[in-house]
Amino acid sequence: EAGVAQSPRYKIIEKRQSVAFWCNPISGHATLYWYQQILGQGPKLLIQFQNNGVVDDSQLPKDRFSAERLKGVDSTLKIQPAKLEDSAVYLCASSFTTFSNSPLHFGNGTRLTVT
Amino acid sequence: DQQVKQNSPSLSVQEGRISILNCDYTNSMFDYFLWYKKYPAEGPTFLISISSIKDKNEDGRFTVFLNKSAKHLSLHIVPSQPGDSAVYFCAASLNSGGYQKVTFGTGTKLQVIP
Repeated sequence: EAGVAQSPRYKIIEKRQSVAFWCNPISGHATLYWYQQILGQGPKLLIQFQNNGVVDDSQLPKDRFSAERLKGVDSTLKIQPAKLEDSAVYLCASSFTTFSNSPLHFGNGTRLTVT
Repeated sequence: DQQVKQNSPSLSVQEGRISILNCDYTNSMFDYFLWYKKYPAEGPTFLISISSIKDKNEDGRFTVFLNKSAKHLSLHIVPSQPGDSAVYFCAASLNSGGYQKVTFGTGTKLQVIP
């Protein structure tokens, strides 16, 4: 099966600019996650979708970050305006079910550098 | 509040020997624990998991042990191979409002020396 696709792989922007990331999950996976991984830290959940509905966005900085998942498939994550501390790898993941034992399948991530 | 902790940022092991990676957690509501492996420039990939009602799960060279009373789990790799060199993340999952909520540790970088 095809894995989780993410683009772009790398992005360099200046602070106060905007940026968008795209994710296409594994076919049939209803749950989609966006994680932020800062260098030296573990992945931190930003937002979780079940189909096209948000089930957890408690750690999403909503003043600058937004995400949507149209038609319950592809998703985009946007940052506007970006800050230096947003430099990180943004990982998209999907899972087949919402059960606790359902492993997450990750894409290769987008490495964002904010200068 | 770091609910999942991996206190060893790095570990070096000789090829053929055992690698033991440790993880501690604080939330007793976690019902599944998973280990992920991450190579540079790639996303994490699922390795092995264990239910909170078990104390051991084995898959080939990989075994995960769970000590609920100590809120501690460990991943054993025997024998270690150079291809095992990667960052290993411990993750804990719980059911929150009908959906799984997964919390990751900070990772341990394993280097297997040939």
